[in-house]
Amino acid sequence: DADVTQTPRNRITKTGKRIMLECSQTKGHDRMYWYRQDPGLGLRLIYYSFDVKDINKGEISDGYSVSRQAQAKFSLSLESAIPNQTALYFCATSDSPGRGRGNEQFFGPGTRLTVL
Amino acid sequence: AQSVTQLDSQVPVFEEAPVELRCNYSSSVSVYLFWYVQYPNQGLQLLLKYLSGSTLVKGINGFEAEFNKSQTSFHLRKPSVHISDTAEYFCAVSGGSNDYKLSFGAGTTVTVRA
Repeated sequence: DADVTQTPRNRITKTGKRIMLECSQTKGHDRMYWYRQDPGLGLRLIYYSFDVKDINKGEISDGYSVSRQAQAKFSLSLESAIPNQTALYFCATSDSPGRGRGNEQFFGPGTRLTVL
Repeated sequence: AQSVTQLDSQVPVFEEAPVELRCNYSSSVSVYLFWYVQYPNQGLQLLLKYLSGSTLVKGINGFEAEFNKSQTSFHLRKPSVHISDTAEYFCAVSGGSNDYKLSFGAGTTVTVRA
């Protein structure tokens, strides 16, 4: 079984709709992240969470919100989707510092979101 | 803050030929460096990483990379590629053991042809 799972894998929605993307992990990591990938731009950080009570904005958080329901679950919401939020979204996890991994992150398979 | 530049957006290469993907970073502190691969319709998978020690790092699937501090580079190489190496490759940098953030380059698409 995959260590980091994302649902749904694909979603098509309309402008103005609320959308939730979900991420679950079985790696036991404290830290979780949401990224979006756009062609030619690499991955950009939307939100990150160091534990259930510690959630922080990344570089492109406008138009998004998150919820850390448990150590293993981290959801990303688009309150009112717009076409320029069409992208590939990735969830990732990492150990806390000092575990020798240098912030190596482990990625889910991605969710392809299309906003019409 | 760190930033990453991948110098080639597209690299076509013939099967069994060598390939080099170039990555330069900018940072004012010591860094950790990573190469990830994304196969079509999949998530990112770690190829290799540099944390400390030997500057030549070996990874999975026959890839290796060399950390060059004076040139702030971390180029990825493979001496002989296969069709299955067709993928997008991302270089990423983290600014030290307490830095939460990975900064990614824009990616290099490698297309291997028979």
